[in-house]
Amino acid sequence: KQEVTQIPAALSVPEGENLVLNCSFTDSAIYNLQWFRQDPGKGLTSLLLIQSSQREQTSGRLNASLDKSSGRSTLYIAASQPGDSATYLCAVRGSGGSNYKLTFGKGTLLTVNP
Amino acid sequence: DVKVTQSSRYLVKRTGEKVFLECVQDMDHENMFWYRQDPGLGLRLIYFSYDVKMKEKGDIPEGYSVSREKKERFSLILESASTNQTSMYLCASTPGPGGYTFGSGTRLTVV
Repeated sequence: KQEVTQIPAALSVPEGENLVLNCSFTDSAIYNLQWFRQDPGKGLTSLLLIQSSQREQTSGRLNASLDKSSGRSTLYIAASQPGDSATYLCAVRGSGGSNYKLTFGKGTLLTVNP
Repeated sequence: DVKVTQSSRYLVKRTGEKVFLECVQDMDHENMFWYRQDPGLGLRLIYFSYDVKMKEKGDIPEGYSVSREKKERFSLILESASTNQTSMYLCASTPGPGGYTFGSGTRLTVV
Protein backbone atom coordinates (compact mmCIF):
# COMPACT_ATOMS: atom_id res chain seq x y z
CA LYS A 1 0.00 0.00 0.00
CA GLN A 2 1.36 3.39 -1.01
CA GLU A 3 2.26 5.73 1.83
CA VAL A 4 3.21 9.38 1.39
CA THR A 5 5.10 11.33 4.04
CA GLN A 6 5.74 15.06 4.09
CA ILE A 7 8.44 16.65 6.18
CA PRO A 8 8.35 19.01 7.95
CA ALA A 9 4.77 19.13 9.15
CA ALA A 10 5.09 22.87 9.73
CA LEU A 11 7.60 25.49 8.68
CA SER A 12 7.91 29.17 9.56
CA VAL A 13 10.32 31.38 7.60
CA PRO A 14 11.00 35.08 7.14
CA GLU A 15 9.95 36.72 3.90
CA GLY A 16 12.47 36.42 1.08
CA GLU A 17 13.91 33.10 2.13
CA ASN A 18 14.29 30.20 -0.29
CA LEU A 19 12.81 26.99 1.08
CA VAL A 20 12.35 23.30 0.32
CA LEU A 21 9.41 21.07 1.16
CA ASN A 22 9.94 17.33 1.11
CA CYS A 23 7.72 14.46 0.06
CA SER A 24 8.58 10.75 0.16
CA PHE A 25 6.59 7.75 -1.03
CA THR A 26 7.03 4.04 -0.41
CA ASP A 27 6.07 2.53 -3.79
CA SER A 28 8.11 3.82 -6.73
CA ALA A 29 5.62 2.44 -9.30
CA ILE A 30 3.87 5.76 -9.77
CA TYR A 31 2.10 7.33 -12.73
CA ASN A 32 2.67 10.92 -11.67
CA LEU A 33 3.08 13.20 -8.67
CA GLN A 34 1.19 16.41 -8.06
CA TRP A 35 1.81 19.28 -5.65
CA PHE A 36 -1.19 21.22 -4.36
CA ARG A 37 -1.70 24.30 -2.26
CA GLN A 38 -4.58 24.64 0.18
CA ASP A 39 -5.61 27.85 1.90
CA PRO A 40 -7.57 27.58 5.16
CA GLY A 41 -11.13 26.38 4.58
CA LYS A 42 -10.65 26.19 0.82
CA GLY A 43 -10.20 23.54 -1.84
CA LEU A 44 -6.95 22.35 -3.38
CA THR A 45 -5.17 24.34 -6.07
CA SER A 46 -2.83 22.42 -8.34
CA LEU A 47 0.70 23.85 -8.46
CA LEU A 48 2.78 21.38 -10.43
CA LEU A 49 2.30 17.99 -12.04
CA ILE A 50 5.31 15.74 -12.72
CA GLN A 51 4.85 12.66 -14.87
CA SER A 52 6.81 9.57 -13.86
CA SER A 53 9.16 9.99 -16.84
CA GLN A 54 10.04 13.58 -15.87
CA ARG A 55 12.65 14.82 -13.43
CA GLU A 56 11.30 18.29 -12.69
CA GLN A 57 8.72 20.95 -13.46
CA THR A 58 8.86 24.69 -12.99
CA SER A 59 6.24 27.38 -12.65
CA GLY A 60 7.34 30.89 -11.74
CA ARG A 61 9.05 30.78 -8.33
CA LEU A 62 8.19 27.11 -7.86
CA ASN A 63 10.27 24.13 -8.90
CA ALA A 64 9.38 20.53 -8.19
CA SER A 65 11.72 17.61 -8.66
CA LEU A 66 11.05 13.89 -8.77
CA ASP A 67 13.42 11.02 -8.02
CA LYS A 68 11.25 8.00 -8.57
CA SER A 69 13.90 5.41 -7.74
CA SER A 70 14.46 6.83 -4.27
CA GLY A 71 10.79 7.67 -3.74
CA ARG A 72 11.31 11.39 -3.22
CA SER A 73 10.04 14.72 -4.46
CA THR A 74 10.91 18.23 -3.39
CA LEU A 75 9.08 21.50 -3.88
CA TYR A 76 11.43 24.47 -3.98
CA ILE A 77 9.96 27.94 -3.39
CA ALA A 78 12.23 30.84 -4.25
CA ALA A 79 12.06 34.26 -2.58
CA SER A 80 9.12 33.36 -0.37
CA GLN A 81 6.34 35.91 0.22
CA PRO A 82 3.63 36.19 2.89
CA GLY A 83 1.08 35.23 0.22
CA ASP A 84 2.78 31.83 -0.02
CA SER A 85 1.49 30.98 3.45
CA ALA A 86 -0.71 27.90 3.07
CA THR A 87 -0.67 24.14 3.45
CA TYR A 88 1.22 22.32 0.70
CA LEU A 89 0.14 18.81 -0.17
CA CYS A 90 1.96 16.18 -2.17
CA ALA A 91 -0.11 13.48 -3.91
CA VAL A 92 1.03 10.40 -5.79
CA ARG A 93 -0.97 8.65 -8.46
CA GLY A 94 -0.39 4.91 -8.73
CA SER A 95 0.37 3.03 -11.92
CA GLY A 96 -1.20 -0.22 -13.05
CA GLY A 97 -4.61 -1.28 -11.82
CA SER A 98 -5.03 1.49 -9.26
CA ASN A 99 -3.91 4.36 -11.44
CA TYR A 100 -7.06 6.31 -10.77
CA LYS A 101 -6.22 6.90 -7.15
CA LEU A 102 -4.28 9.72 -5.50
CA THR A 103 -2.53 9.03 -2.22
CA PHE A 104 -1.92 12.20 -0.24
CA GLY A 105 0.60 13.20 2.35
CA LYS A 106 -0.62 15.02 5.45
CA GLY A 107 0.83 18.30 4.20
CA THR A 108 3.31 20.97 5.27
CA LEU A 109 1.87 24.10 6.86
CA LEU A 110 4.00 27.00 5.65
CA THR A 111 4.00 30.39 7.32
CA VAL A 112 5.99 33.21 5.70
CA ASN A 113 6.46 36.12 8.09
CA PRO A 114 6.70 39.71 6.79
CA ASP B 1 -9.20 26.31 -17.26
CA VAL B 2 -11.12 23.35 -15.97
CA LYS B 3 -13.68 24.23 -13.41
CA VAL B 4 -15.02 21.90 -10.76
CA THR B 5 -17.95 23.47 -9.00
CA GLN B 6 -19.39 22.30 -5.71
CA SER B 7 -22.85 23.66 -5.17
CA SER B 8 -22.51 24.60 -1.50
CA ARG B 9 -19.61 26.03 0.48
CA TYR B 10 -21.26 25.45 3.86
CA LEU B 11 -24.06 23.13 4.93
CA VAL B 12 -25.63 22.43 8.30
CA LYS B 13 -27.83 19.35 8.52
CA ARG B 14 -29.56 17.42 11.27
CA THR B 15 -28.75 13.87 12.30
CA GLY B 16 -30.75 11.40 10.24
CA GLU B 17 -31.33 13.73 7.29
CA LYS B 18 -30.59 12.61 3.76
CA VAL B 19 -27.92 14.92 2.35
CA PHE B 20 -26.94 15.55 -1.26
CA LEU B 21 -23.61 17.11 -2.21
CA GLU B 22 -23.38 18.13 -5.83
CA CYS B 23 -20.33 18.48 -8.05
CA VAL B 24 -20.16 19.64 -11.66
CA GLN B 25 -17.16 19.79 -13.99
CA ASP B 26 -17.08 21.58 -17.32
CA MET B 27 -14.31 19.82 -19.27
CA ASP B 28 -15.77 16.47 -20.24
CA HIS B 29 -13.58 14.52 -17.80
CA GLU B 30 -14.24 10.80 -17.52
CA ASN B 31 -13.10 10.40 -13.92
CA MET B 32 -14.64 12.07 -10.89
CA PHE B 33 -13.94 11.61 -7.20
CA TRP B 34 -15.24 12.43 -3.75
CA TYR B 35 -12.80 12.86 -0.85
CA ARG B 36 -13.27 13.91 2.72
CA GLN B 37 -10.66 15.80 4.67
CA ASP B 38 -10.30 15.69 8.43
CA PRO B 39 -7.62 17.14 10.72
CA GLY B 40 -4.92 14.60 11.42
CA LEU B 41 -6.32 12.11 8.91
CA GLY B 42 -5.71 13.99 5.69
CA LEU B 43 -7.69 13.33 2.52
CA ARG B 44 -9.46 10.00 2.16
CA LEU B 45 -11.22 8.70 -0.95
CA ILE B 46 -14.91 7.93 -0.50
CA TYR B 47 -16.06 6.98 -4.02
CA PHE B 48 -15.03 7.54 -7.59
CA SER B 49 -16.58 7.17 -11.02
CA TYR B 50 -14.80 6.48 -14.31
CA ASP B 51 -17.85 6.81 -16.55
CA VAL B 52 -21.54 7.62 -16.53
CA LYS B 53 -23.43 5.24 -14.23
CA MET B 54 -20.16 3.58 -13.20
CA LYS B 55 -18.87 3.85 -9.65
CA GLU B 56 -16.34 2.21 -7.39
CA LYS B 57 -15.80 2.31 -3.68
CA GLY B 58 -12.83 4.12 -2.29
CA ASP B 59 -11.26 3.66 1.11
CA ILE B 60 -14.16 4.82 3.30
CA PRO B 61 -17.50 4.26 1.48
CA GLU B 62 -19.56 3.28 4.52
CA GLY B 63 -22.53 5.57 5.06
CA TYR B 64 -22.24 7.11 1.60
CA SER B 65 -23.54 6.45 -1.89
CA VAL B 66 -23.03 8.24 -5.20
CA SER B 67 -24.85 8.96 -8.42
CA ARG B 68 -23.53 9.79 -11.85
CA GLU B 69 -26.34 10.11 -14.37
CA LYS B 70 -24.53 12.62 -16.59
CA LYS B 71 -20.85 12.87 -17.38
CA GLU B 72 -20.43 16.34 -15.91
CA ARG B 73 -22.21 15.71 -12.60
CA PHE B 74 -21.23 13.51 -9.66
CA SER B 75 -23.35 13.52 -6.52
CA LEU B 76 -22.43 12.28 -3.07
CA ILE B 77 -25.33 11.11 -0.91
CA LEU B 78 -25.35 10.69 2.83
CA GLU B 79 -28.28 8.33 3.33
CA SER B 80 -28.75 9.18 7.02
CA ALA B 81 -26.37 11.87 8.20
CA SER B 82 -24.48 11.29 11.41
CA THR B 83 -22.27 13.58 13.47
CA ASN B 84 -19.15 11.62 12.49
CA GLN B 85 -19.76 12.71 8.92
CA THR B 86 -19.06 16.32 9.85
CA SER B 87 -16.13 17.12 7.58
CA MET B 88 -14.80 19.01 4.57
CA TYR B 89 -15.88 17.27 1.36
CA LEU B 90 -13.85 17.75 -1.79
CA CYS B 91 -14.80 16.79 -5.32
CA ALA B 92 -12.20 16.30 -8.06
CA SER B 93 -12.01 15.33 -11.70
CA THR B 94 -9.34 14.20 -14.12
CA PRO B 95 -9.40 13.42 -17.84
CA GLY B 96 -7.29 10.32 -17.42
CA PRO B 97 -3.57 10.83 -17.93
CA GLY B 98 -3.46 14.39 -16.65
CA GLY B 99 -3.59 15.96 -13.24
CA TYR B 100 -6.50 16.35 -10.90
CA THR B 101 -8.62 19.47 -10.52
CA PHE B 102 -10.41 20.01 -7.24
CA GLY B 103 -13.47 22.01 -6.32
CA SER B 104 -13.55 24.60 -3.57
CA GLY B 105 -14.98 22.18 -1.01
CA THR B 106 -18.15 21.85 1.04
CA ARG B 107 -17.91 22.19 4.78
CA LEU B 108 -20.65 19.96 6.18
CA THR B 109 -21.71 20.13 9.81
CA VAL B 110 -24.15 17.52 11.13
CA VAL B 111 -25.84 18.50 14.39
